[in-house]
Amino acid sequence: DAKTTQPTSMDCAEGRAANLPCNHSTISGNEYVYWYRQIHSQGPQYIIHGLKNNETNEMASLIITEDRKSSTLILPHATLRDTAVYYCIVRVMGMINFGNEKLTFGTGTRLTIIP
Amino acid sequence: DTAVSQTPKYLVTQMGNDKSIKCEQNLGHDTMYWYKQDSKKFLKIMFSYNNKELIINETVPNRFSPKSPDKAHLNLHINSLELGDSAVYFCASSQDQGSTDTQYFGPGTRLTVL
Repeated sequence: DAKTTQPTSMDCAEGRAANLPCNHSTISGNEYVYWYRQIHSQGPQYIIHGLKNNETNEMASLIITEDRKSSTLILPHATLRDTAVYYCIVRVMGMINFGNEKLTFGTGTRLTIIP
Repeated sequence: DTAVSQTPKYLVTQMGNDKSIKCEQNLGHDTMYWYKQDSKKFLKIMFSYNNKELIINETVPNRFSPKSPDKAHLNLHINSLELGDSAVYFCASSQDQGSTDTQYFGPGTRLTVL
């Protein structure tokens, strides 16, 4: 079962920042927060992940609260191509996993970028 | 220079038939996965293989048999296809790197059983 809660859907105006929230109140100390997205009819795509510090890459920023019970994915300047379902996933990481770490997808947030 | 590729992209077949879906990754990864996305868009793990060895088998019927001839390939064979097998099947791969084993997904195979 997914350990995260996300809004079912959100809209964002093109060019504005899209802020996608995720609750993971039962997260354990050794669990990371991962974000993936699935654009219509394509395979899921990795976006970003973090443990407790805020993270930024070329796609997005990830803000994790100090108690780690929630996080926000930020797409700084949303474009129409960012329309997709966004999945927030928590998973245990650490030593080499030898294939034992599956991704458990919830229902995600359907983000629609409006022109 | 496709990272994870699957064939075929679409597969339409009759109930009771046997079919295979192929997956190949050119990323040099050690681990490969099969996921199933049903009509309600729920995406669930089916299998994972690490260095050709089965690691995860998520209560999938015995009609589904993954085969990994080498690290770069993980094929999915399905016997006696049923209507409920209709779904999109995604292959993925990752490299065990401790905290950074990002999974890379293929484009999916849409299976329709009539």
